[in-house]
Amino acid sequence: GESVGLHLPTLSVQEGDNSIINCAYSNSASDYFIWYKQESGKGPQFIIDIRSNMDKRQGQRVTVLLNKTVKHLSLQIAATQPGDSAVYFCAENNEAAGNKLTFGGGTRVLVKP
Amino acid sequence: DAGVTQSPTHLIKTRGQHVTLRCSPISGHKSVSWYQQVLGQGPQFIFQYYEKEERGRGNFPDRFSARQFPNYSSELNVNALLLGDSALYLCASSLAWRQGALGLNTEAFFGQGTRLTVV
Repeated sequence: GESVGLHLPTLSVQEGDNSIINCAYSNSASDYFIWYKQESGKGPQFIIDIRSNMDKRQGQRVTVLLNKTVKHLSLQIAATQPGDSAVYFCAENNEAAGNKLTFGGGTRVLVKP
Repeated sequence: DAGVTQSPTHLIKTRGQHVTLRCSPISGHKSVSWYQQVLGQGPQFIFQYYEKEERGRGNFPDRFSARQFPNYSSELNVNALLLGDSALYLCASSLAWRQGALGLNTEAFFGQGTRLTVV
């Protein structure tokens, strides 16, 4: 498949370690946030979402943290596996935007065996 | 259960030509959104259609147009292609017109995209 992002920030992590991916957003009116995973040659795949009335949400091996004060979002992946290697995007949405998602620039995660 | 399907998967066009990209949403989904993803960047919103009406438009020129059919499938049309239109075009479908609507599973599901190359 074709590479999704050739010049993205890259996070290299050892298999089994935890990964933390950070994202800054700019719109203080945003009230809904999503993390997507995109593998080469594929469309973005939903990982986890969070609403602005929450500061933490956990899924299977993933945790999203939201700090509205500094407009910062993070995704934590526990016990990173080779299948987690991909590009990760945060996206934000607000009521006025309808279904429009505004995506961040993305972070490439490389898992070393 | 089929996901979002897009056709064609790859396409090569010449500058000045027009192109039509197609998207079939997940069964039961009434919202279709189109995104353009240039290599190395995140997807950029182009259009949203809900119940066959345009509900949102991104910052793209009038050369870009779209429509949604009674079966909720959608087409994206681009006229007078430029080299800069080369990108991965993504279609996303969802149940509701707005992401994150309370009480609904309103996450957007993306197709695999159409890779358009303009030469």
